[in-house]
Amino acid sequence: AQKITQTQPGMFVQEKEAVTLDCTYDTSDPSYGLFWYKQPSSGEMIFLIYQGSYDQQNATEGRYSLNFQKARKSANLVISASQLGDSAMYFCAMSGSLYKLSFGAGTTVTVRA
Amino acid sequence: DGGITQSPKYLFRKEGQNVTLSCEQNLNHDAMYWYRQDPGQGLRLIYYSQIVNDFQKGDIAEGYSVSREKKESFPLTVTSAQKNPTAFYLCASSINREGLSDTQYFGPGTRLTVL
Repeated sequence: AQKITQTQPGMFVQEKEAVTLDCTYDTSDPSYGLFWYKQPSSGEMIFLIYQGSYDQQNATEGRYSLNFQKARKSANLVISASQLGDSAMYFCAMSGSLYKLSFGAGTTVTVRA
Repeated sequence: DGGITQSPKYLFRKEGQNVTLSCEQNLNHDAMYWYRQDPGQGLRLIYYSQIVNDFQKGDIAEGYSVSREKKESFPLTVTSAQKNPTAFYLCASSINREGLSDTQYFGPGTRLTVL
């Protein structure tokens, strides 16, 4: 079974600063993928970034980077230079041998001007 | 524009009624998924389909049914057997490539309320 844990229910960040969202996981699958999604108040889930368990380098996509520490089973999302539009809920998710996603409970980020 | 559409955006249902939520995609994706989201929680998988005319139960399939007669469409029926159907429902699709990097893309969702 797969389990995703996001321990921060809500966070505040000042505009233009960086913020780190924590995600830890547990799985018995030897290979897996880790995803981050953003959910604004409109409800749609927006794909942000992907990291494969065997990828040697941490993934980056624009202002998003994934700090992947396999031994610690963590896949934290870093958002640099926060913008007001980054205020949303963020979900960490994992895919494994069954090719379906398991989601964490999410972290709400509020960016202050 | 390629994407996933869901309709209606809001749906109200009386107890004992079946309702069907629509999901259509023009991304030419093979796989489609239905998730349920309750307030303040993550998504839970209801059903998924990796190919036309085939689908599998997810983690919370009881009280729901689906069909996959066309590649583009994956409607979800919430039956009267679903005890607590009030929730936000999200449809997703993916290419269904081999391996783990098969990114799922989501529609805008349908908010179902039981009166």
